[in-house]
Amino acid sequence: GAGVSQSPRYKVAKRGQDVALRCDPISGHVSLFWYQQALGQGPEFLTYFQNEAQLDKSGLPSDRFFAERPEGSVSTLKIQRTQQEDSAVYLCASKPRGLAGGVTDTQYFGPGTRLTVL
Amino acid sequence: AQKVTQAQTEISVVEKEDVTLDCVYETRDTTYYLFWYKQPPSGELVFLIRRNSFDEQNEISGRYSWNFQKSTSSFNFTITASQVVDSAVYFCALSGGGGKLIFGQGTELSVKP
Repeated sequence: GAGVSQSPRYKVAKRGQDVALRCDPISGHVSLFWYQQALGQGPEFLTYFQNEAQLDKSGLPSDRFFAERPEGSVSTLKIQRTQQEDSAVYLCASKPRGLAGGVTDTQYFGPGTRLTVL
Repeated sequence: AQKVTQAQTEISVVEKEDVTLDCVYETRDTTYYLFWYKQPPSGELVFLIRRNSFDEQNEISGRYSWNFQKSTSSFNFTITASQVVDSAVYFCALSGGGGKLIFGQGTELSVKP
């Protein structure tokens, strides 16, 4: 598949559990974004990677949220000690270029991971 | 601050009707990009169009057309002769600093046969 893939598609966690959500961007894409989409709302930015560097994490709601992209391809969003308010769809997007040349690039989204915290 | 407003939460039309989805944005940037995405029930955001702030020409793609008016900070989306398959949530988005997207709340379009 040539698109962005995410796994798992659905995750149910008990409050207090840690979860890890995976994103496989389009091959060769430099930029990777994570967004959180609450029910009935538009996606909201969480964090941005250019290759392996996390250049913007201003949208992460608390220090329980952590993201990494160690080799500049696959990324993992980790949520520690999940709370009910973390229930949402987590979307990953990638685009071909980084900041310098990629302002015009279109972001391509994965299908998302629906997280439900009980 | 940058902001996107989609005032229409839900729209319901009968097949073959034309429908316009409104989008109003706020930004202090002189160069920016606007986008429309479609989110069907499957959940994946599907890219529809990108428009830069220097290009105010309207665009038509099949049954879809977009009207960008910088003077009113609007980027409206019209579907002509709507079909049941157009039923989805549609999001307007603005490119923010660092390339991140700022989305509106979305408009849920329901096209009934």
